[in-house]
Amino acid sequence: DIQMTQSPSTLSASVGDRVTITCRASQSISSWLAWYQQKPGKAPNLLIYKASSLESGVPSRFSGSGSGTEFTLTISSLQPDDFATYYCQQYNSRWTFGQGTKVEIK
Amino acid sequence: EVQLVESGGGLVQPGESLRLSCAASGFTFSIYSMDWVRQAPGKGLEWVSYISSSGTTIYYADSVKGRFTISRDNAKNSLYLQMNSLRVEDTAVYYCVRAGTNLLLDYWGQGTLVTVSS
Repeated sequence: DIQMTQSPSTLSASVGDRVTITCRASQSISSWLAWYQQKPGKAPNLLIYKASSLESGVPSRFSGSGSGTEFTLTISSLQPDDFATYYCQQYNSRWTFGQGTKVEIK
Repeated sequence: EVQLVESGGGLVQPGESLRLSCAASGFTFSIYSMDWVRQAPGKGLEWVSYISSSGTTIYYADSVKGRFTISRDNAKNSLYLQMNSLRVEDTAVYYCVRAGTNLLLDYWGQGTLVTVSS
């Protein structure tokens, strides 16, 4: 099974900060990686697919990069609505999620 | 608009059974694979099961294999998860999820809570 490891687990940041979250796969997944945002009590919302493709309707301050085993999600200028938990997920071989990164207000 | 609406959750005792349903609308259900994903209280996301569009290919996570059964009725635009021999550790919100292009999990329902407790 492919394991996904996210870092950090928690991130404290301020509005306007540039934020980067890292996701590492235990083996190569090519570019079959997605990023989701989840707010308390809500279902996850797809942000990025195929490592770097922005889902329709998602603000352009979100971007993704990477391939193989190393991936990043970047929020260029953190907005109040962005405080949430973010998950990476591989869909190269079945589906596995990272453990999540909670973005908190500093 | 794609809509996935789960139902059937509730409180059960260990060893009991429960059947979850997911009503799909806003897309051609019969041509899409579907998944169940769960989230224990305060924890991360865990993939549970997959079913192909025709129902001929099915996968399960090791944690539920032999106890859970996924199925679908394309005529009713519905997905199901039969959960038997439930354990305390099966307590979670269960999400019905569409598997889109390249099996990307693109649309999620709002979830239904299953609580297993004595």
